[in-house]
Amino acid sequence: NAGVTQTPKFQVLKTGQSMTLQCAQDMNHNSMYWYRQDPGMGLRLIYYSASEGTTDKGEVPNGYNVSRLNKREFSLRLESAAPSQTSVYFCASTFSGGGWGNEQFFGPGTRLTVL
Amino acid sequence: GENVEQHPSTLSVQEGDSAVIKCTYSDSASNYFPWYKQELGKGPQLIIDIRSNVGEKKDQRIAVTLNKTAKHFSLHITETQPEDSAVYFCAAGGTNAGKSTFGDGTTLTVKP
Repeated sequence: NAGVTQTPKFQVLKTGQSMTLQCAQDMNHNSMYWYRQDPGMGLRLIYYSASEGTTDKGEVPNGYNVSRLNKREFSLRLESAAPSQTSVYFCASTFSGGGWGNEQFFGPGTRLTVL
Repeated sequence: GENVEQHPSTLSVQEGDSAVIKCTYSDSASNYFPWYKQELGKGPQLIIDIRSNVGEKKDQRIAVTLNKTAKHFSLHITETQPEDSAVYFCAAGGTNAGKSTFGDGTTLTVKP
């Protein structure tokens, strides 16, 4: 059981370049999330997918797109990277439903620098 | 939407002392209140959680209390150890696609 995996672990981009961050979970969770973490600002939700085939904007979606490829995989794409997108990106997953929240399981993070 | 405030932002205690971190939330529909610990270079990991139908929960040296009327909840760590040093996040949510809104975090330092 690998849990939540993310690739790559580190990435350096130049302004205007594009890239896709990959995330996969093997816990059969229905919901998946992308967060960014900046110093002193906690975790901010970029996009989420409540279930396979659905995606919705979170708190800070501008400059990003997502794809829920199947139940296991949820990718985050930066079409034209900007220095303001320098951050640590975390993917998470959970089982949602039944009227209660549940533990979110986080991946190890991707550290992205945009020059 | 939900808004979560967390205090203090930094906390330094002596080994063996207790540590308390407090959070407030705004959405009375939130029913799930987890606490996550994040060690340097890693993703957050759940340490304890509480649902809105319970007022207090304890797991060895850590406990969480919830006051639904006042919309605040707290993390209590007793007999702190150096390995408790980390960033702690509270969160609130649970009713909308399992989403949680996170506080800004508390950096806890336990001095030997």
